[in-house]
Amino acid sequence: EPEVTQTPSHQVTQMGQEVILRCVPISNHLYFYWYRQILGQKVEFLVSFYNNEISEKSEIFDDQFSVERPDGSNFTLKIRSTKLEDSAMYFCATQRTGGAGELFFGEGSRLTVL
Amino acid sequence: QKEVEQNSGPLSVPEGAIASLNCTYSDRGSQSFFWYRQYSGKSPELIMFIYSNGDKEDGRFTAQLNKASQYVSLLIRDSQPSDSATYLCAACGSGSARQLTFGSGTQLTVLP
Repeated sequence: EPEVTQTPSHQVTQMGQEVILRCVPISNHLYFYWYRQILGQKVEFLVSFYNNEISEKSEIFDDQFSVERPDGSNFTLKIRSTKLEDSAMYFCATQRTGGAGELFFGEGSRLTVL
Repeated sequence: QKEVEQNSGPLSVPEGAIASLNCTYSDRGSQSFFWYRQYSGKSPELIMFIYSNGDKEDGRFTAQLNKASQYVSLLIRDSQPSDSATYLCAACGSGSARQLTFGSGTQLTVLP
């Protein structure tokens, strides 16, 4: 069964460093998302991406965050200068056209900022 | 602010019983609703979705939707210890927004 894959599974970084999280979406899905989940809290929407551009973003997704699809397969989330409060699990999710809107999640990338 | 509310639990039921999970949503324009299961440290896994008023059954799971009351529920029949997890309710955005808004989840424990 097709699945969303994410790398790395766990990244530890120092505050102020740049981090790039990578996702390979399901091949025929056209809508891509990043969500995050701080430990013990709800799954929060960050950004949606369609047709090579951001379609929606939340208040969390400030200038420190960016997304791109550099090579037509990978979908990346970049955090320019990490803060302690960026420590969370980051989930990539994809959505197909013509469905009910269901999201298919990757296994997540756990980011720990020290 | 679009909100999805769930009782955080924890909810405990004995093995073989029916577990009932509830959810309310604030955005009347939401069209589709989803139940996900999340094991500790893992990603959300889709159980089922519903977009019409009434009941929808899939194996041991039944989703119920009442748009007038802005209420969604999930029933799990013949609960098993392996059903122990956090259950997330989510609503799909209205209009052109397709992102899901998640509730905080209800932690379910099925006791052997």
